[in-house]
Amino acid sequence: SQTIHQWPATLVQPVGSPLSLECTVEGTSNPNLYWYRQAAGRGLQLLFYSVGIGQISSEVPQNLSASRPQDRQFILSSKKLLLSDSGFYLCAWSVQARGRGYTFGSGTRLTVV
Amino acid sequence: DQQVKQNSPSLSVQEGRISILNCDYTNSMFDYFLWYKKYPAEGPTFLISISSIKDKNEDGRFTVFLNKSAKHLSLHIVPSQPGDSAVYFCAASAARGGGNEKLTFGTGTRLTIIP
Repeated sequence: SQTIHQWPATLVQPVGSPLSLECTVEGTSNPNLYWYRQAAGRGLQLLFYSVGIGQISSEVPQNLSASRPQDRQFILSSKKLLLSDSGFYLCAWSVQARGRGYTFGSGTRLTVV
Repeated sequence: DQQVKQNSPSLSVQEGRISILNCDYTNSMFDYFLWYKKYPAEGPTFLISISSIKDKNEDGRFTVFLNKSAKHLSLHIVPSQPGDSAVYFCAASAARGGGNEKLTFGTGTRLTIIP
């Protein structure tokens, strides 16, 4: 069966520090991968998606970047965190089929102080 | 521009009664609609979906209704149970090339079931 792992679960980082969140998927190959953010009191905002190794699409301009060095690995990074980067970050994967939706990871609560 | 809207941020329902969560969309290109349930500090989990060629889809206690002319869908939960207390997100997608399905989410409705 397919599983998705996302870590760490919680993270407190000072302003200006770097960030690296990792997500891996098991039990499937060539998944579509996504990074979402849920800011306090807001919905789910798509940050990046990837349909293959090295292929990254950015949805909104921001202080973050994403990379996909391996087929089932998706990394969210920042060189210098801002206070506004605080939020709940979710990784997700999907198959290439309509209406099946995404399977989400358990999320990372990032607090920038 | 919020293409998927959930205008009720919260809803309280008595246990055993029907819960109705609503969602409106503006993009006529959307052809799949999904509902997700989210508990605090967890990722959302997929509940039920509906294709735009249908007007109803049922799965156990959950039924989704789609009114394309009104660009409106709703999720009915009958009977409501305490474990249904969560935030519910409506999502929609439009056909894209390359098999990549990008979901647009609403802002969520917090459902509280009162025992």
